[in-house]
Amino acid sequence: GNSVTQMEGPVTLSEEAFLTINCTYTATGYPSLFWYVQYPGEGLQLLLKATKADDKGSNKGFEATYRKETTSFHLEKGSVQVSDSAVYFCALIPLAGGTSYGKLTFGQGTILTVHP
Amino acid sequence: DTGVSQDPRHKITKRGQNVTFRCDPISEHNRLYWYRQTLGQGPEFLTYFQNEAQLEKSRLLSDRFSAERPKGSFSTLEIQRTEQGDSAMYLCASSWDRGYNEQFFGPGTRLTVL
Repeated sequence: GNSVTQMEGPVTLSEEAFLTINCTYTATGYPSLFWYVQYPGEGLQLLLKATKADDKGSNKGFEATYRKETTSFHLEKGSVQVSDSAVYFCALIPLAGGTSYGKLTFGQGTILTVHP
Repeated sequence: DTGVSQDPRHKITKRGQNVTFRCDPISEHNRLYWYRQTLGQGPEFLTYFQNEAQLEKSRLLSDRFSAERPKGSFSTLEIQRTEQGDSAMYLCASSWDRGYNEQFFGPGTRLTVL
């Protein structure tokens, strides 16, 4: 079946530190990969996505590269801010024959806390 | 369009009672999804609709759960004879049925079963 594994948290960093949150996946076909973010008290928001191997998704200073050979989609940011404190979820949608099967499979989430 | 909306945002109920949640998707989206999220976990898929047709149901969706999307617009999720284990955040999302299928999430309904 399909699954997503994220690095265990929580992650605590000082402002301007470098961030990496690891994500690996298992899927049939060629999945699309996503990072979602959940800020305190808010709903899930799409942070970035990549739909094929070697694609790099980026948004708000965050980046992740779709690595088919290592089945990974690690999230990185060069300099985190206090406002980045949130829960980050890696997720996939499997694709086969150009058809999306629709349902997202999520990792367990990683809590990020950034201190001033 | 203001995005996906869900009502109520919070629901507290006693064990054994029935509850119903509503989701209004982004108006031009033809797919609608329900997920459940428990504390410290990622969301888990429950079911999804394309227009008014329910295309897939997770094994997590016991017989006490039923979802409808009668006119292909809003959807309801009903839980009958609630149990304490049903306490969770219930999330709704919507999308188009093409491309990579980006899903937009609502704020969720937090259910507490006493």
